[in-house]
Amino acid sequence: DAGVIQSPRHEVTEMGQEVTLRCKPISGHNSLFWYRQTMMRGLELLIYFNNNVPIDDSGMPEDRFSAKMPNASFSTLKIQPSEPRDSAVYFCASSRTTGGYTFGSGTRLTVV
Amino acid sequence: AQTVTQSQPEMSVQEAETVTLSCTYDTSESDYYLFWYKQPPSRQMILVIRQEAYKQQNATENRFSVNFQKAAKSFSLKISDSQLGDAAMYFCAYPQGGSEKLVFGKGTKLTVNP
Repeated sequence: DAGVIQSPRHEVTEMGQEVTLRCKPISGHNSLFWYRQTMMRGLELLIYFNNNVPIDDSGMPEDRFSAKMPNASFSTLKIQPSEPRDSAVYFCASSRTTGGYTFGSGTRLTVV
Repeated sequence: AQTVTQSQPEMSVQEAETVTLSCTYDTSESDYYLFWYKQPPSRQMILVIRQEAYKQQNATENRFSVNFQKAAKSFSLKISDSQLGDAAMYFCAYPQGGSEKLVFGKGTKLTVNP
């Protein structure tokens, strides 16, 4: 079991550029979550999918953020255009039941 | 709003000693899970222990155990025989509204002194 795989591990981009974060959940897990972690706000849920369908995107900060899950083994989180306040660590996690999530290693995004 | 509160931003413990991290939560659900996650400097989020609310027995995983007080909505984590590798941020988490949406506390930074 390779765990939840996120890429890239680090991303540095200029303000205004498009950023795409990627996630491969654990095979057999039917729920996928995107979290953002900052010092000020802690861990915030952005969006989650169940069986590839977005269930709750109320945490997505604004229209610049979008997420997709085209199939059970892949999801993306896109920010367009990026802003310095988007700098954070973005985590993807997956689960099969309410027994707990398995997190990926996160992507540290820096927007300059 | 359903919340998770960790009242200790930082804690420290001597190696080999015991430390308890506090967590309280607010819910109207009767059946739910509670979780403790560890985040070392590598930033990986690691599930330490989980508790099912309908079970009266406190969960235990090796040196980690919980003190679950359902009526008081309290879920503390006890680390016995602390090791240097236990130094990390510890987060308490709870599924919001009986859904799969985990709500996390602000975390407690644990330092282990040699």
